[in-house]
Amino acid sequence: EAGVAQSPRYKIIEKRQSVAFWCNPISGHATLYWYQQILGQGPKLLIQFQNNGVVDDSQLPKDRFSAERLKGVDSTLKIQPAKLEDSAVYLCASSLDWFFNSPLHFGNGTRLTVT
Amino acid sequence: KQEVTQIPAALSVPEGENLVLNCSFTDSAIYNLQWFRQDPGKGLTSLLLIQSSQREQTSGRLNASLDKSSGRSTLYIAASQPGDSATYLCEGSASKIIFGSGTRLSIRP
Repeated sequence: EAGVAQSPRYKIIEKRQSVAFWCNPISGHATLYWYQQILGQGPKLLIQFQNNGVVDDSQLPKDRFSAERLKGVDSTLKIQPAKLEDSAVYLCASSLDWFFNSPLHFGNGTRLTVT
Repeated sequence: KQEVTQIPAALSVPEGENLVLNCSFTDSAIYNLQWFRQDPGKGLTSLLLIQSSQREQTSGRLNASLDKSSGRSTLYIAASQPGDSATYLCEGSASKIIFGSGTRLSIRP
């Protein structure tokens, strides 16, 4: 099966600019996650979708981050305006369901550098 | 608040050794625990998923155990190989999905 696809792989922007990341989950996976992974740390959940509804966005900095999953398939994560501390790898993952009994499948991530 | 801790942060062993990676979590109401491998510049690859009703899972040279009462999980790697070098992360699913910071494993040829 095709894996989780993410683009772009790398992005360099200046602070206060905006950026968007795209994710296409594995076909048939109802649950989609966006994680932020800062160097040397484990991934931190930003937002979790079940189909096109938000299940958990408690750790999403909503003043600058937004995410959507139209039609319950692809998803985009946007940062506007970016700050230096947003430099990280942004990982998208999907799973068959959200009852925590199916494994997470991750994309290769987008490495964001904010200068 | 659920916390997931992994010890040690880094480990270097010679090829062929058996080794154990540790993961501890604070919320005993965990649904499942998953071990991942992350290679540099890559996403995470699921290795083993232990559901709350299970005690352990095995895949090839890997064995993961889960003890909810003590809040611990271990990943056992038998006969380590240089290709096992990577960062290993554990993830606990309770009310939230929380990752540990990982153990960076280096297998010396």
